[in-house]
Amino acid sequence: GQQVKQSSPSLTVQEGGISILNCDYENDMFDYFAWYKKYPDNSPTLLISVRSNVDKREDGRLTVFLNKSGKHFSLHITASQPEDTAVYLCAAGDSGGSNYKLTFGKGTLLTVTP
Amino acid sequence: DAGVTQTPRHEVAEKGQTIILKCEPVSGHNDLFWYRQTKIQGLELLSYFRSKSLMEDGGAFKDRFKAEMLNSSFSTLKIQPTEPKDSAVYLCASSFWGGYAEQFFGPGTRLTVL
Repeated sequence: GQQVKQSSPSLTVQEGGISILNCDYENDMFDYFAWYKKYPDNSPTLLISVRSNVDKREDGRLTVFLNKSGKHFSLHITASQPEDTAVYLCAAGDSGGSNYKLTFGKGTLLTVTP
Repeated sequence: DAGVTQTPRHEVAEKGQTIILKCEPVSGHNDLFWYRQTKIQGLELLSYFRSKSLMEDGGAFKDRFKAEMLNSSFSTLKIQPTEPKDSAVYLCASSFWGGYAEQFFGPGTRLTVL
Protein backbone atom coordinates (compact mmCIF):
# COMPACT_ATOMS: atom_id res chain seq x y z
CA GLY A 1 0.00 0.00 0.00
CA GLN A 2 0.92 3.62 -0.22
CA GLN A 3 3.04 4.54 2.77
CA VAL A 4 2.75 8.30 2.29
CA LYS A 5 -0.55 9.71 1.09
CA GLN A 6 -1.63 13.11 -0.11
CA SER A 7 -5.39 12.77 -0.31
CA SER A 8 -5.98 16.04 -2.17
CA PRO A 9 -4.59 16.01 -5.69
CA SER A 10 -5.31 19.71 -6.02
CA LEU A 11 -6.07 22.82 -3.96
CA THR A 12 -7.01 26.34 -5.01
CA VAL A 13 -6.44 29.31 -2.72
CA GLN A 14 -6.91 33.03 -3.23
CA GLU A 15 -3.91 35.32 -3.13
CA GLY A 16 -3.23 36.41 0.43
CA GLY A 17 -4.94 33.37 1.95
CA ILE A 18 -3.50 30.43 3.87
CA SER A 19 -2.69 27.27 1.90
CA ILE A 20 -2.85 24.06 3.94
CA LEU A 21 -1.37 20.95 2.40
CA ASN A 22 -1.81 17.62 4.14
CA CYS A 23 0.06 14.35 4.24
CA ASP A 24 -0.72 11.08 6.03
CA TYR A 25 1.69 8.23 6.61
CA GLU A 26 1.47 4.61 7.69
CA ASN A 27 4.93 3.71 9.00
CA ASP A 28 5.28 4.80 12.62
CA MET A 29 9.04 4.33 12.32
CA PHE A 30 9.28 7.41 10.11
CA ASP A 31 11.41 10.01 11.86
CA TYR A 32 11.99 12.59 9.16
CA PHE A 33 9.37 14.59 7.29
CA ALA A 34 9.85 16.97 4.39
CA TRP A 35 8.05 19.05 1.81
CA TYR A 36 9.40 19.49 -1.71
CA LYS A 37 8.12 21.93 -4.31
CA LYS A 38 7.98 21.18 -8.02
CA TYR A 39 7.25 23.62 -10.82
CA PRO A 40 5.98 22.15 -14.15
CA ASP A 41 8.83 20.66 -16.19
CA ASN A 42 11.24 21.25 -13.30
CA SER A 43 12.64 18.92 -10.70
CA PRO A 44 11.61 18.93 -7.02
CA THR A 45 13.45 21.19 -4.58
CA LEU A 46 13.40 20.99 -0.78
CA LEU A 47 11.21 23.57 0.96
CA ILE A 48 11.32 22.60 4.62
CA SER A 49 11.87 19.53 6.78
CA VAL A 50 11.49 18.39 10.40
CA ARG A 51 12.68 15.54 12.55
CA SER A 52 10.25 13.58 14.69
CA ASN A 53 11.41 15.23 17.93
CA VAL A 54 9.63 18.50 17.08
CA ASP A 55 5.94 19.19 16.47
CA LYS A 56 6.31 22.41 14.53
CA ARG A 57 8.85 24.30 12.49
CA GLU A 58 8.51 27.75 10.99
CA ASP A 59 10.51 29.30 8.17
CA GLY A 60 9.19 32.60 6.92
CA ARG A 61 5.73 32.03 5.42
CA LEU A 62 6.08 28.26 5.79
CA THR A 63 5.15 26.17 8.84
CA VAL A 64 5.27 22.40 9.14
CA PHE A 65 3.06 20.77 11.78
CA LEU A 66 3.73 17.18 12.80
CA ASN A 67 1.10 15.05 14.56
CA LYS A 68 2.86 11.78 15.35
CA SER A 69 -0.06 10.12 17.12
CA GLY A 70 -2.26 10.85 14.11
CA LYS A 71 0.49 9.96 11.62
CA HIS A 72 -0.10 13.23 9.86
CA PHE A 73 1.90 16.26 8.88
CA SER A 74 0.96 19.42 7.10
CA LEU A 75 2.45 22.46 5.41
CA HIS A 76 0.88 25.86 5.98
CA ILE A 77 1.76 28.70 3.63
CA THR A 78 0.60 32.09 4.85
CA ALA A 79 0.04 35.10 2.58
CA SER A 80 -0.11 32.79 -0.43
CA GLN A 81 1.13 34.31 -3.68
CA PRO A 82 0.62 33.34 -7.34
CA GLU A 83 4.28 32.29 -7.50
CA ASP A 84 3.48 29.63 -4.87
CA THR A 85 1.53 27.83 -7.60
CA ALA A 86 3.29 24.47 -7.98
CA VAL A 87 3.05 20.79 -7.07
CA TYR A 88 3.93 20.12 -3.43
CA LEU A 89 5.33 16.70 -2.57
CA CYS A 90 5.47 15.42 0.98
CA ALA A 91 8.13 12.88 1.89
CA ALA A 92 9.03 10.79 4.92
CA GLY A 93 11.90 8.58 5.95
CA ASP A 94 12.94 6.02 8.53
CA SER A 95 16.63 6.32 9.42
CA GLY A 96 16.86 2.89 11.02
CA GLY A 97 19.93 1.02 9.77
CA SER A 98 21.40 4.28 8.47
CA ASN A 99 19.09 4.06 5.46
CA TYR A 100 18.17 7.58 4.45
CA LYS A 101 15.82 6.90 1.59
CA LEU A 102 12.63 8.93 1.34
CA THR A 103 9.12 7.81 0.42
CA PHE A 104 7.21 10.49 -1.47
CA GLY A 105 3.50 11.23 -1.74
CA LYS A 106 1.99 11.69 -5.20
CA GLY A 107 1.73 15.43 -4.81
CA THR A 108 -0.86 18.19 -4.44
CA LEU A 109 -1.17 20.85 -7.13
CA LEU A 110 -1.58 24.20 -5.38
CA THR A 111 -3.03 27.00 -7.49
CA VAL A 112 -3.01 30.50 -6.01
CA THR A 113 -5.40 32.79 -7.87
CA PRO A 114 -4.87 36.56 -8.02
CA ASP B 1 29.23 24.25 -8.25
CA ALA B 2 27.52 22.13 -10.86
CA GLY B 3 24.28 20.49 -9.82
CA VAL B 4 23.20 16.97 -10.68
CA THR B 5 23.52 16.32 -14.40
CA GLN B 6 21.62 13.70 -16.33
CA THR B 7 21.99 12.54 -19.91
CA PRO B 8 20.29 12.18 -22.24
CA ARG B 9 17.44 14.58 -21.52
CA HIS B 10 15.15 12.69 -23.88
CA GLU B 11 15.26 9.10 -25.07
CA VAL B 12 12.98 7.25 -27.47
CA ALA B 13 13.30 3.47 -27.56
CA GLU B 14 11.57 0.62 -29.31
CA LYS B 15 10.03 -2.08 -27.14
CA GLY B 16 12.67 -4.67 -26.24
CA GLN B 17 15.65 -2.35 -26.58
CA THR B 18 18.27 -1.78 -23.91
CA ILE B 19 18.74 1.79 -22.78
CA ILE B 20 21.26 3.32 -20.40
CA LEU B 21 20.63 6.54 -18.54
CA LYS B 22 23.50 8.45 -16.96
CA CYS B 23 23.83 10.62 -13.86
CA GLU B 24 26.61 12.70 -12.35
CA PRO B 25 25.89 13.68 -8.72
CA VAL B 26 26.93 16.92 -7.06
CA SER B 27 30.64 16.75 -6.31
CA GLY B 28 31.21 15.54 -2.76
CA HIS B 29 27.79 13.99 -2.30
CA ASN B 30 27.81 10.44 -1.00
CA ASP B 31 24.18 9.39 -1.46
CA LEU B 32 22.67 8.86 -4.90
CA PHE B 33 19.07 8.02 -5.71
CA TRP B 34 17.29 6.96 -8.90
CA TYR B 35 13.55 7.63 -9.11
CA ARG B 36 10.85 7.05 -11.70
CA GLN B 37 8.23 9.79 -11.96
CA THR B 38 4.78 9.21 -13.47
CA LYS B 39 1.50 11.07 -13.09
CA ILE B 40 -0.22 7.98 -11.70
CA GLN B 41 2.39 6.71 -9.24
CA GLY B 42 4.32 9.89 -8.50
CA LEU B 43 7.97 9.48 -7.47
CA GLU B 44 9.04 5.85 -6.99
CA LEU B 45 12.47 4.89 -5.70
CA LEU B 46 14.39 2.61 -8.06
CA SER B 47 17.81 2.48 -6.40
CA TYR B 48 19.77 4.10 -3.58
CA PHE B 49 23.56 4.11 -3.23
CA ARG B 50 25.62 5.27 -0.27
CA SER B 51 29.29 5.76 -1.05
CA LYS B 52 28.85 3.52 -4.09
CA SER B 53 27.28 0.70 -2.04
CA LEU B 54 23.77 -0.35 -3.00
CA MET B 55 21.39 0.31 -0.08
CA GLU B 56 18.06 -0.23 -1.85
CA ASP B 57 17.29 -1.86 -5.15
CA GLY B 58 13.66 -0.83 -5.48
CA GLY B 59 12.05 -4.24 -4.99
CA ALA B 60 9.51 -4.44 -7.80
CA PHE B 61 11.94 -2.86 -10.25
CA LYS B 62 14.65 -5.49 -9.83
CA ASP B 63 14.00 -7.67 -12.83
CA ARG B 64 14.60 -5.26 -15.73
CA PHE B 65 16.17 -2.28 -13.99
CA LYS B 66 19.80 -2.25 -12.91
CA ALA B 67 21.60 0.73 -11.45
CA GLU B 68 25.34 0.83 -11.01
CA MET B 69 27.77 3.26 -9.46
CA LEU B 70 31.27 2.46 -10.62
CA ASN B 71 32.78 5.56 -9.07
CA SER B 72 31.62 8.33 -6.76
CA SER B 73 30.95 10.74 -9.59
CA PHE B 74 29.01 8.63 -12.08
CA SER B 75 26.02 6.30 -12.06
CA THR B 76 24.05 4.50 -14.73
CA LEU B 77 20.55 3.05 -14.86
CA LYS B 78 20.05 0.28 -17.39
CA ILE B 79 16.59 -0.83 -18.46
CA GLN B 80 16.64 -4.14 -20.30
CA PRO B 81 14.42 -4.96 -22.12
CA THR B 82 12.29 -1.83 -22.28
CA GLU B 83 8.50 -2.01 -22.30
CA PRO B 84 5.97 0.73 -23.17
CA LYS B 85 4.96 0.93 -19.48
CA ASP B 86 8.50 2.16 -18.73
CA SER B 87 7.66 5.49 -20.39
CA ALA B 88 8.25 8.05 -17.65
CA VAL B 89 10.66 10.69 -16.40
CA TYR B 90 13.69 9.20 -14.64
CA LEU B 91 15.20 11.43 -11.99
CA CYS B 92 18.56 11.17 -10.31
CA ALA B 93 19.20 12.92 -6.98
CA SER B 94 22.16 13.19 -4.66
CA SER B 95 22.79 14.37 -1.11
CA PHE B 96 25.53 14.64 1.49
CA TRP B 97 26.08 11.70 3.80
CA GLY B 98 25.52 12.03 7.52
CA GLY B 99 21.81 11.74 8.20
CA TYR B 100 18.93 13.18 6.30
CA ALA B 101 20.11 15.88 3.99
CA GLU B 102 18.47 17.77 1.18
CA GLN B 103 18.21 15.73 -1.98
CA PHE B 104 19.27 17.70 -5.05
CA PHE B 105 17.51 16.49 -8.17
CA GLY B 106 18.79 16.47 -11.72
CA PRO B 107 16.68 17.68 -14.66
CA GLY B 108 15.56 14.15 -15.48
CA THR B 109 15.49 11.96 -18.58
CA ARG B 110 12.16 11.66 -20.34
CA LEU B 111 11.91 8.13 -21.74
CA THR B 112 9.36 7.14 -24.34
CA VAL B 113 9.08 3.47 -25.25
CA LEU B 114 7.14 2.75 -28.44
